Amino acid sequence: GESVGLHLPTLSVQEGDNSIINCAYSNSASDYFIWYKQESGKGPQFIIDIRSNMDKRQGQRVTVLLNKTVKHLSLQIAATQPGDSAVYFCAENGPGTGGFKTIFGAGTRLFVKA
Amino acid sequence: DGGITQSPKYLFRKEGQNVTLSCEQNLNHDAMYWYRQDPGQGLRLIYYSQIVNDFQKGDIAEGYSVSREKKESFPLTVTSAQKNPTAFYLCASSKSSYNEQFFGPGTRLTVL
Repeated sequence: GESVGLHLPTLSVQEGDNSIINCAYSNSASDYFIWYKQESGKGPQFIIDIRSNMDKRQGQRVTVLLNKTVKHLSLQIAATQPGDSAVYFCAENGPGTGGFKTIFGAGTRLFVKA
Repeated sequence: DGGITQSPKYLFRKEGQNVTLSCEQNLNHDAMYWYRQDPGQGLRLIYYSQIVNDFQKGDIAEGYSVSREKKESFPLTVTSAQKNPTAFYLCASSKSSYNEQFFGPGTRLTVL
């Protein structure tokens, strides 16, 4: 059967510190990128997105950086709060069979210590 | 309230039985998706539909079937051919395949 357990990379930060979550994407033709947050037992929620014609986009307390040269995406969370504890997924959208295709990364678990 | 709903939240079935998971959205989205998530893992795409009456296999379609007869609805059937069906199933929708996806609350299926 399938193995079970926690395989996700984990980031632990102190409340009030900034968090940086990294993601490497696979398809150099991908041109739309999204970060999602998933709390335990719930569906993922949209946080922020960025198109490939940009290298930085800011939201409320979050910033996404895109480096197309090395196919790298990062999510920065300012002044991390306990409510930010969750699993964070990056997703890339790009050309695929039958149209655009979305590929999700494996996820990173963020723990915020009070 | 606009949104995407899945029912039931928890589902138990005996091995060898087919089971259908419901997914409904009132966001007027064209695209809908089904994902499977195992403990501590990411999301794996089962099936997706870019428009009504059309759907495509994802990465792990074997043992699953879908239909898209209405824009609002995208039910997933887990058949007895699926070797290890116990998992958390997530449905999502988006305006198009080039927009962010909105996820439902998920259905946790346990096959006994």
